[in-house]
Amino acid sequence: EVQLVQSGAAVKKPGESLKISCKGSGYSFTSHWIAWVRQMPGKGLEWVGIIDPVDSDSRVIPSFQSHVSISVDKSISTAFLQWRSLEASDTAIYFCARREVHYGLVVWGQGTMVTVSS
Amino acid sequence: EIVLTQSPATLSVSPGERATLSCRASEGINNNLAWYQQKPGQAPRLLVYGASTRATGIPARFSGRGSGTEFTLTISNLQSEDFAIYYCQQYNSWAEAFGQGTKVEIK
Repeated sequence: EVQLVQSGAAVKKPGESLKISCKGSGYSFTSHWIAWVRQMPGKGLEWVGIIDPVDSDSRVIPSFQSHVSISVDKSISTAFLQWRSLEASDTAIYFCARREVHYGLVVWGQGTMVTVSS
Repeated sequence: EIVLTQSPATLSVSPGERATLSCRASEGINNNLAWYQQKPGQAPRLLVYGASTRATGIPARFSGRGSGTEFTLTISNLQSEDFAIYYCQQYNSWAEAFGQGTKVEIK
């Protein structure tokens, strides 16, 4: 079964760092890019960025660029989304998804709830 | 940056009726448009890709149409499980943005 399994919920304080993960299984992990999508409480879906597991080529949209980074470890079929210094406004659910050319986001992880509160 | 505008924000429909959702792109996207359904507490699910092709396992009552900048998703004979939020997304060019969503609620 093709699936993306994300790390569990995280509760952090402002200023702390965090790295959440997304592990692929049931397919060749390097065959498809992995995207990250944010959903703030009660709000819609926002594109964060994307990474190619083959060579770690990544893109993050400008509004997130200075705040998050995307990485991948293809040896363990896992993509990561990382913050060096969290803010309360980072509180959201973060989804990873397998992006397929011509198809969009076909397979989704279950989401990771990140709560940032003092 | 391509902007997607969905309308209406909320659509009130009775079970068994038809719902038509709209998605407009700020520039042409070569039919590289997908529709997703999201229910509370769940990840989004791909319904339609390439503007009009249903994803695997999606019932025929879901149909996508459109080209260029104007797209629609029609849900015929609405079932109870179809009441959800629907998002369009373009994957033609960076950044692959989403529309703001249309909530389909029970009338």
